[in-house]
Amino acid sequence: NAGVTQTPKFQVLKTGQSMTLQCAQDMNHEYMSWYRQDPGMGLRLIHYSVGAGITDQGEVPNGYNVSRSTTEDFPLRLLSAAPSQTSVYFCASRGQSEQYFGPGTRLTVT
Amino acid sequence: AQSVTQLGSHVSVSEGALVLLRCNYSSSVPPYLFWYVQYPNQGLQLLLKYTSAATLVKGINGFEAEFKKSETSFHLTKPSAHMSDAAEYFCAVSPRTDSWGKLQFGAGTQVVVTP
Repeated sequence: NAGVTQTPKFQVLKTGQSMTLQCAQDMNHEYMSWYRQDPGMGLRLIHYSVGAGITDQGEVPNGYNVSRSTTEDFPLRLLSAAPSQTSVYFCASRGQSEQYFGPGTRLTVT
Repeated sequence: AQSVTQLGSHVSVSEGALVLLRCNYSSSVPPYLFWYVQYPNQGLQLLLKYTSAATLVKGINGFEAEFKKSETSFHLTKPSAHMSDAAEYFCAVSPRTDSWGKLQFGAGTQVVVTP
């Protein structure tokens, strides 16, 4: 049981490049979400999903896309990276008693 | 709309002293309340949560928090700080209508423990 895994751990992009942050969980949780963490702002919800095929926007969805084709995976796509997207990204999976967070992806956009 | 405020972005405590981290929420209906801890370069770990049972909630690592509806607060305490408590702490809320799926976080409090 690996919990919530995220890849890559670190990534540097140039402005305008695209990439996908991967998130997977092996706990059969229906509810998954993506947060970004910025200094002095805590974590802010980007997108979430209540099950395969169902996604919705959170507090800061602009510039990000998500899809949920399986229960296990919830990738986050940046279509055209901007310096404002430099952040640490956390994926979370909600169980019956708590949310489980992945180790994070540190993204720098230059 | 709900919000959560953590008073103090940095707190320094001596080893063995009381740790007190403040959290206030703004919501017309008391939400679910959580405290998370984040160690350097790691994800978040749940310390404790308040759903609807006892107002004094005990968590891991000797931490506890008390829900006070009249003060809209959920302050986190630990009687005696250890060096290992040095980390960033986040208070979070979730509306009861959402079954604590969407968390709204405070800005965080960095705790430094001095010998």
